[in-house]
Amino acid sequence: GAVVSQHPSRVICKSGTSVKIECRSLDFQATTMFWYRQFPKQSLMLMATSNEGSKATYEQGVEKDKFLINHASLTLSTLTVTSAHPEDSSFYICSASPFVGETQYFGPGTRLLVL
Amino acid sequence: AQSVAQPEDQVNVAEGNPLTVKCTYSVSGNPYLFWYVQYPNRGLQFLLKYITGDNLVKGSYGFEAEFNKSQTSFHLKKPSALVSDSALYFCAVKPGANNLFFGTGTRLTVIP
Repeated sequence: GAVVSQHPSRVICKSGTSVKIECRSLDFQATTMFWYRQFPKQSLMLMATSNEGSKATYEQGVEKDKFLINHASLTLSTLTVTSAHPEDSSFYICSASPFVGETQYFGPGTRLLVL
Repeated sequence: AQSVAQPEDQVNVAEGNPLTVKCTYSVSGNPYLFWYVQYPNRGLQFLLKYITGDNLVKGSYGFEAEFNKSQTSFHLKKPSALVSDSALYFCAVKPGANNLFFGTGTRLTVIP
């Protein structure tokens, strides 16, 4: 149980285009989903927290107009990197939690490369 | 301020030997404590967590962790390391209803 999937697993795009990453909780309903970014050989940096049906809460320094998050249902959250630039290249990981304060279960991550 | 420290970037251990990956934390209140493992190009896998009760917590793949309140530590241990345990290990704390704070990770290499 507690499986979280991400799609795509890796994506290469041209600078200036937008990329959408999906995060799904496969066997539970996630009241809260989280989006992280991980740079090479570094820890995870929380970007934003999203609750189903409400606006995401972004961490300080994360541009909400750049990283659009939609949590439309209890099993799906999407992260759209708008007008991507090479510095947005990174490993993006989502996690989902069935209840507030419960364990977070992580997706396998999406590697984004912007050329 | 909340912080999590993993003082060792790299831990090497021979296969079959016991392993320890260290974690100390500085948070207010009584936090929840977690260990996650990350394999190359993969997301994090949950290993174990401490919320309350017995200080020794048993988790997946034979791992366990010991909560020490006086030393504010939550070291990860395994009695006998396997080559397949080689991965990146993250300690994380969750102060109350707040989000997870991660340590910087420790790369474990088990030598055959």
